[in-house]
Amino acid sequence: SQKIEQNSEALNIQEGKTATLTCNYTNYSPAYLQWYRQDPGRGPVFLLLIRENEKEKRKERLKVTFDTTLKQSLFHITASQPADSATYLCALDMGGNKLTFGTGTQLKVEL
Amino acid sequence: GAGVSQSPSNKVTEKGKDVELRCDPISGHTALYWYRQSLGQGLEFLIYFQGNSAPDKSGLPSDRFSAERTGGSVSTLTIQRTQQEDSAVYLCASSLASQALAKNIQYFGAGTRLSVL
Repeated sequence: SQKIEQNSEALNIQEGKTATLTCNYTNYSPAYLQWYRQDPGRGPVFLLLIRENEKEKRKERLKVTFDTTLKQSLFHITASQPADSATYLCALDMGGNKLTFGTGTQLKVEL
Repeated sequence: GAGVSQSPSNKVTEKGKDVELRCDPISGHTALYWYRQSLGQGLEFLIYFQGNSAPDKSGLPSDRFSAERTGGSVSTLTIQRTQQEDSAVYLCASSLASQALAKNIQYFGAGTRLSVL
């Protein structure tokens, strides 16, 4: 079965630095991968989608890469701000309109 | 409404009681999903509805769990004879589930926090 790994340890970085979060997967090769943000007490919110034939996708201060050879996606937040503090989830399309979510990585941006 | 609405936001029940959780998806979204999220865990898929097709129930953990979607819109997740291990946040999401650019981007409600005493 598909296994998705995200760093379970919280990532603490200083304001203004670039945060990099990792999503690794095994077995199945997804057609696309999505990243979501989840704040405490709320449902996840969609951020970015990247397809298997795309190497990189950007949106404002966010950048996602997708390496299907390494079976890895990296999620970058540049010029991080305390408001970026949240849990970030990656999700893989497994076909049939279903997503499989990782456990998420908690990011804390400190002043 | 503008987003996915779930009710109640919190539910406290006694072990052995039945509970019903409600989800009102975004209007026009054909796909509806239920997930369970335990403390510090990822989203565990429970069930998926797509239009008039038979639901994908492959994630339901036991026969105490069931869900229905009436008229292709509102959905109810029912847990019978609740157990303490059922305590979690139950999230509902809807999507267009189309083949277009916005394929299967999911929009989530705020969830129902279920506590079984």
